[in-house]
Amino acid sequence: AQSVTQLGSHVSVSEGALVLLRCNYSSSVPPYLFWYVQYPNQGLQLLLKYTSAATLVKGINGFEAEFKKSETSFHLTKPSAHMSDAAEYFCAVSGAGQNFVFGPGTRLSVLP
Amino acid sequence: DAGITQSPRHKVTETGTPVTLRCHQTENHRYMYWYRQDPGHGLRLIHYSYGVKDTDKGEVSDGYSVSRSKTEDFLLTLESATSSQTSVYFCAIAKDGGGYSDTQYFGPGTRLTVL
Repeated sequence: AQSVTQLGSHVSVSEGALVLLRCNYSSSVPPYLFWYVQYPNQGLQLLLKYTSAATLVKGINGFEAEFKKSETSFHLTKPSAHMSDAAEYFCAVSGAGQNFVFGPGTRLSVLP
Repeated sequence: DAGITQSPRHKVTETGTPVTLRCHQTENHRYMYWYRQDPGHGLRLIHYSYGVKDTDKGEVSDGYSVSRSKTEDFLLTLESATSSQTSVYFCAIAKDGGGYSDTQYFGPGTRLTVL
């Protein structure tokens, strides 16, 4: 069985500051990992995904994430937060024979 | 744009009434999914389909049924709605065959309130 934890249901950063959203997973098979973003009253949009090709994955809007097998982590970062980054972020894991499992989400607030 | 529409977008209903939500895709992808989103739980899979008339249960399927008579439409039915089914429902498709590495693309959601 797979599971995802996201540390911090709500994270606040100042505009221009580093964004770090944490994701840890458990999986009995090699995982595929995803970050999605959800803006208010919208569906989820893919930010980036890890499929074993490279451990550092670059996504849209300046976000990137690093897969660390030893730490079972896939944390999302962005060097400089922008007001438009305010949204909810979901980490998800899948794997052979497994459906997607989503984490509970982290709401990011960006302060001026 | 993932080419997914959901209808209705908002619905208020009463306990015990049947409710059907529709997901429509324009690109004829094989795999389609229904999720519910609740605070603190992220998205949880209700049912999914891997072809016409081929469906399977997800994590939270109790109280829900689905049907897929055409490739482009995936219906979610609450036979007798309960207040615990108040949620936001999302449909998703997988564009690359439905494998576990495939990205899922989401519709805009349906907000359902059961009074």
